[in-house]
Amino acid sequence: RKEVEQDPGPFNVPEGATVAFNCTYSNSASQSFFWYRQDCRKEPKLLMSVYSSGNEDGRFTAQLNRASQYISLLIRDSKLSDSATYLCVATSGNTGKLIFGQGTTLQVKP
Amino acid sequence: GAGVSQTPSNKVTEKGKYVELRCDPISGHTALYWYRQSLGQGPEFLIYFQGTGAADDSGLPNDRFFAVRPEGSVSTLKIQRTERGDSAVYLCASSLSPTGTTEAFFGQGTRLTVV
Repeated sequence: RKEVEQDPGPFNVPEGATVAFNCTYSNSASQSFFWYRQDCRKEPKLLMSVYSSGNEDGRFTAQLNRASQYISLLIRDSKLSDSATYLCVATSGNTGKLIFGQGTTLQVKP
Repeated sequence: GAGVSQTPSNKVTEKGKYVELRCDPISGHTALYWYRQSLGQGPEFLIYFQGTGAADDSGLPNDRFFAVRPEGSVSTLKIQRTERGDSAVYLCASSLSPTGTTEAFFGQGTRLTVV
């Protein structure tokens, strides 16, 4: 079983739609969580960190459920420019090792 | 530049040859990571340095792969007797925090093709 698992999609949604991605992690000792965005043939870049209390950044909301060991990302009012692969990341236990999920591909259509 | 720099950006090598991939992290970043990414997959962890020492090398696939970071800054990933299955994009990232609590900044990667 992979340490971080995501549905690879693709998710095809119209502009303006709300879309949610989930991710599960297997190591209950994981401490830090992130969502990264990766555009085609580019390097991953941090989208947002994920906190236990949930956090919001504009149209993006991230939530963490430690009891069920899952992380979610909600994107409201999707834009064409949101089309990318979204990577879920967890630290492996209480170390600094970052483990990436497979990524979920989002395609926003006009 | 102030970002993570990886060289070369592309490398084509023949099966069986030795290659070195270089990563120049952001100045002052303690943590340095190497990942390998194949098409349609997320970055696969290879090795992680805190300072000069490898804190975790559990992702190195076999003993053909080795990485060093002798002065706690630049790192080199070395692959011996390359195989076609080693073809991938090799990504390096650095982070200020050694505990994974802060953003990891990635380089643009080295695309390795073994023919």
